[in-house]
Amino acid sequence: NAGVMQNPRHLVRRRGQEARLRCSPMKGHSHVYWYRQLPEEGLKFMVYLQKENIIDESGMPKERFSAEFPKEGPSILRIQQVVRGDSAAYFCASSPGQILQETQYFGPGTRLLVL
Amino acid sequence: KNEVEQSPQNLTAQEGEFITINCSYSVGISALHWLQQHPGGGIVSLFMLSSGKKKHGRLIATINIQEKHSSLHITASHPRDSAVYICAVFPGTDKLIFGTGTRLQVFP
Repeated sequence: NAGVMQNPRHLVRRRGQEARLRCSPMKGHSHVYWYRQLPEEGLKFMVYLQKENIIDESGMPKERFSAEFPKEGPSILRIQQVVRGDSAAYFCASSPGQILQETQYFGPGTRLLVL
Repeated sequence: KNEVEQSPQNLTAQEGEFITINCSYSVGISALHWLQQHPGGGIVSLFMLSSGKKKHGRLIATINIQEKHSSLHITASHPRDSAVYICAVFPGTDKLIFGTGTRLQVFP
C-alpha cells in the first residue's frame, strides 16, 4: 500500500509563472489536506478537500491560489503568477474520512523555489 | 502568541539519554498529533492521542487535557532520533494547528 505521493518533489519557477503541485492520497483515503511550510517557520493549514468538494479553504490566500480534488486523479494545488514569497515546502496529507479528527498521513512534500 | 507552543526549541543530547519535549496549547482540542520531520523534510505521524498515554517502542506520549499540555518522551535516545518533532492539535475541526517544532540532535 503506497503512501501519500506528491510530485514534483522539487519545482523551480520564475516570478509570474504558474506552479501545479500534485498529491495522490493513500489508497482508500478520501480526505486531502494541504499545508505550507515557509522557510524557518512552522506548518500552516491551507485547505481541506474531499472528493469534488472543498470543505475548508480558510488558510489559503484569496488570490492566485486554488485547489481541487476531482473524482478521478490526484488533488492539485495551483499557484498562479508565483512570487518569491511563495517559495516554501508544500505538504499534502490524507486520511480515510471515516471519523472526525483521524490520523493524517503526510506526503514527502514539494519544495517550490521561485526565482 | 502562538496557539501551540513547544519547548525547548532546540535540544542536544548524548546517545542513551532520556529526552522530554513539551507542548502547551491555548485552544480547546479534540486530539493532538506528534509528528517527526527528518532532515530530508519528510513528515511521519508518531502518535495521535486525546487522553492518557501511548507508547510505541522507545517513544511515549502523554496528554493532560485539563492542563492543556502534552509531552513526548524518548527513552535510550539514538542518533537516528535526530529530527524536528512537531506537536499539532485538532481544535474541534479537521484542520491541524502546528507548533513550531523542537529540533533534536543526538550525538554518539
